Amino acid sequence: EVHLLDSGGGLVQPGESLRLSCAASGFTFSSHAMSWVRQAPGKGLEWVSGISGSGVGGYYADSVKGRFIISRDNSKNMMYLQMNSLRAEDTAVYYCAKVAGSGWGQGTLVTVSS
Amino acid sequence: QSALTQPASVSGSPGQSITISCTGTSSDVGTYNYVSWYQQHPGKAPKLIIYDVSNRPSGVSNRFSGSKSGNTASLTVSGLQAEDEADYYCRSYTSSSTLVFGGGTKLTVL
Repeated sequence: EVHLLDSGGGLVQPGESLRLSCAASGFTFSSHAMSWVRQAPGKGLEWVSGISGSGVGGYYADSVKGRFIISRDNSKNMMYLQMNSLRAEDTAVYYCAKVAGSGWGQGTLVTVSS
Repeated sequence: QSALTQPASVSGSPGQSITISCTGTSSDVGTYNYVSWYQQHPGKAPKLIIYDVSNRPSGVSNRFSGSKSGNTASLTVSGLQAEDEADYYCRSYTSSSTLVFGGGTKLTVL
């Protein structure tokens, strides 16, 4: 059974950084592209970033390009999202998810506020 | 990276069928058969119900079906049940190697 556990959220001030983590199990992690998706309070889903199974190449939504960095460590079955220069509009629940097939984390809340 | 267009809300009575549309462009829905649909109940993570336009994951009811014509994908829910009341999102792969979601549709079972 696919299991994704995202963590690392919290309350930060504008301009600060935060690193989210996603621990994967139940599938061959290195064979699957992964993504981060966020959902602002009361809003819809927004794709944030994606990474191939090999970890070569990261893709970003325009809203986070240049501020967020996606990475993965296939030896540890882990994916990360380094979020820099955070803004109030980055406040959301962040989910890690498989790009193909079923598999979402439970979400981790990031709040950017002074 | 504009969001795909979905109706904000749809409704139907138990036993009826409803269809939710998802309109994109030739850079996403119109070119790629990588359209997925997700169901999200309040406070829960989204659940995949349709992938690659019309395929259902194991365990998903056959009351859910998907299709595509041109730049518009559609999700049909037949035999509406109270438990189908939720938010529904479409997602497509794009020519920029990114993904894009629709704005979401709230399904109300009357």
